[in-house]
Amino acid sequence: GAGVSQTPSNKVTEKGKYVELRCDPISGHTALYWYRQSLGQGPEFLIYFQGTGAADDSGLPNDRFFAVRPEGSVSTLKIQRTERGDSAVYLCASSWSYTDTQYFGPGTRLTVL
Amino acid sequence: GQQVMQIPQYQHVQEGEDFTTYCNSSTTLSNIQWYKQRPGGHPVFLIQLVKSGEVKKQKRLTFQFGEAKKNSSLHITATQTTDVGTYFCAGPGGSQGNLIFGKGTKLSVKP
Repeated sequence: GAGVSQTPSNKVTEKGKYVELRCDPISGHTALYWYRQSLGQGPEFLIYFQGTGAADDSGLPNDRFFAVRPEGSVSTLKIQRTERGDSAVYLCASSWSYTDTQYFGPGTRLTVL
Repeated sequence: GQQVMQIPQYQHVQEGEDFTTYCNSSTTLSNIQWYKQRPGGHPVFLIQLVKSGEVKKQKRLTFQFGEAKKNSSLHITATQTTDVGTYFCAGPGGSQGNLIFGKGTKLSVKP
């Protein structure tokens, strides 16, 4: 079946703008994760959803970052007042449950000018 | 906070040579996972180790989990150009679902 999909694949925005990044998990996966990966680094955990609720948002760097998963499937990561330091690849992953293998999507490359 | 460290950061080998990357955690892990990320790609799950001292093999890849469950290694025998990529280890963070990744070891293979 289809894997995790993310849109857009690339997003270029200007400092101070608002962006939304979308993740479509594997069908049936109840757990969904957002990570951020900077060049030369490993993925950095941002937030984890179990169903519709954010089970752990301890990785969100500040209150400019927010994520939702209203129907327990698609998730949107929202970044307000973007800063140049937000530039990175934003990865989404999903799994059957938090103990199961996480399958990553192709990522969205965000560039803040 | 919990940290996962990997060495070396880079490894350049001639095709056919062996390769090993090492992973160390600042805390005891319930499990450790390994991922491979090809250039321009996304992390792909390779394996999970759970038991102390566990050794698992996947063709030319051998994964080990230390007795104290704080370190792990990935060894590739007779590397091929298809092995090129960055290999990450990851362990559970402080809460459910939270994976802490190492910085990865970037492997390049010269034909």
